[in-house]
Amino acid sequence: DGGITQSPKYLFRKEGQNVTLSCEQNLNHDAMYWYRQDPGQGLRLIYYSQIVNDFQKGDIAEGYSVSREKKESFPLTVTSAQKNPTAFYLCASSIGNTGELFFGEGSRLTVL
Amino acid sequence: DQQVKQNSPSLSVQEGRISILNCDYTNSMFDYFLWYKKYPAEGPTFLISISSIKDKNEDGRFTVFLNKSAKHLSLHIVPSQPGDSAVYFCAAWWAFVGSSASKIIFGSGTRLSIRP
Repeated sequence: DGGITQSPKYLFRKEGQNVTLSCEQNLNHDAMYWYRQDPGQGLRLIYYSQIVNDFQKGDIAEGYSVSREKKESFPLTVTSAQKNPTAFYLCASSIGNTGELFFGEGSRLTVL
Repeated sequence: DQQVKQNSPSLSVQEGRISILNCDYTNSMFDYFLWYKKYPAEGPTFLISISSIKDKNEDGRFTVFLNKSAKHLSLHIVPSQPGDSAVYFCAAWWAFVGSSASKIIFGSGTRLSIRP
């Protein structure tokens, strides 16, 4: 089955720790995205990548880092510099020509 | 500056009736408008889209209308069913001129509840 796999689904982290969220897709899509969703808010773009070895900051990139070494993979690291990291994180991919995104199931990060 | 706005955070509709979800935008450069549906603790799923050069697009029970002069789009669901209860996000996509890059932005969502 083609799709996007995010892991872990739930993650707890102590303050001051970095954590990496995994995102893998087998849809052969060039573009991949990371969004953050907070209660009562829309989806805010953290980082996106249109092609391997290239990525761009989104609207709320501070405290986050990404890499795109393979077409299939776009991991997101939430660093200790992120002031309010508790949120629901969504990874998505797209062919890139109409805005239709395919989302993963999401990862819920809770900082204790 | 919110370029895509969904002013109604929630909407309750009786089963079998029409649900109308609204979205306003401020920028005329968008190429496509899209609607996504999201259940709790899941990722959004694409529902329907419309090109900026069209006025209407229909897919089964779902129809999206685009009013470019008013910079307004709406999603009509008829008849509404219990499984339609979810959060609906409006989104706008555009391609950068002279580049292969593009961007999509989302509204804040409307929670639709279908009551029996």
